[in-house]
Amino acid sequence: RKEVEQDPGPFNVPEGATVAFNCTYSNSASQSFFWYRQDCRKEPKLLMSVYSSGNEDGRFTAQLNRASQYISLLIRDSKLSDSATYLCVVNPNTGGFKTIFGAGTRLFVKA
Amino acid sequence: EPEVTQTPSHQVTQMGQEVILRCVPISNHLYFYWYRQILGQKVEFLVSFYNNEISEKSEIFDDQFSVERPDGSNFTLKIRSTKLEDSAMYFCATGDRENQPQHFGDGTRLSIL
Repeated sequence: RKEVEQDPGPFNVPEGATVAFNCTYSNSASQSFFWYRQDCRKEPKLLMSVYSSGNEDGRFTAQLNRASQYISLLIRDSKLSDSATYLCVVNPNTGGFKTIFGAGTRLFVKA
Repeated sequence: EPEVTQTPSHQVTQMGQEVILRCVPISNHLYFYWYRQILGQKVEFLVSFYNNEISEKSEIFDDQFSVERPDGSNFTLKIRSTKLEDSAMYFCATGDRENQPQHFGDGTRLSIL
């Protein structure tokens, strides 16, 4: 099983749609979870941290299910500017601050 | 907003040569990281660095790689004898606390000929 696995995508959605991304992780001791976005040939940028209770930031909602080792990201009312690759990121708590990125899910939002 | 700064933005080097990639962290950050991303592939962890020593490294980070913080500000990644497969985007990232969100520099594109 891969350390961090994401939906392969790409997702093609119209503006205004709701889209959900899924991510699973293999190390049950993992402690910190994040969603980043990456635009083509640019650096990853933090979108949001993911907390056990779930959290929301405007149109974005992140959920964590520790029992299933599963993380999700929901984007409501998609905008053209949401087109990017969404990266699931996990700190597997191996003692030395290692950070594992998923392969990413590409989102295309079309007018 | 404070930024992580990386230099150079693009480095072209002959195979077998040594390269040094530089990063200036955000000033109060104590945790430093290097990642690489081969074109079209995922971001891969190379190494984490804290308290002037390596905290953890991946299988990719073999003997040809080294990191240091020589003057208390710059954080460098050295590749001793470059190979064609070292061609990638290299990102530096820094953080102010353990296992908290990292801030990325805009990367150095390394091209090995």
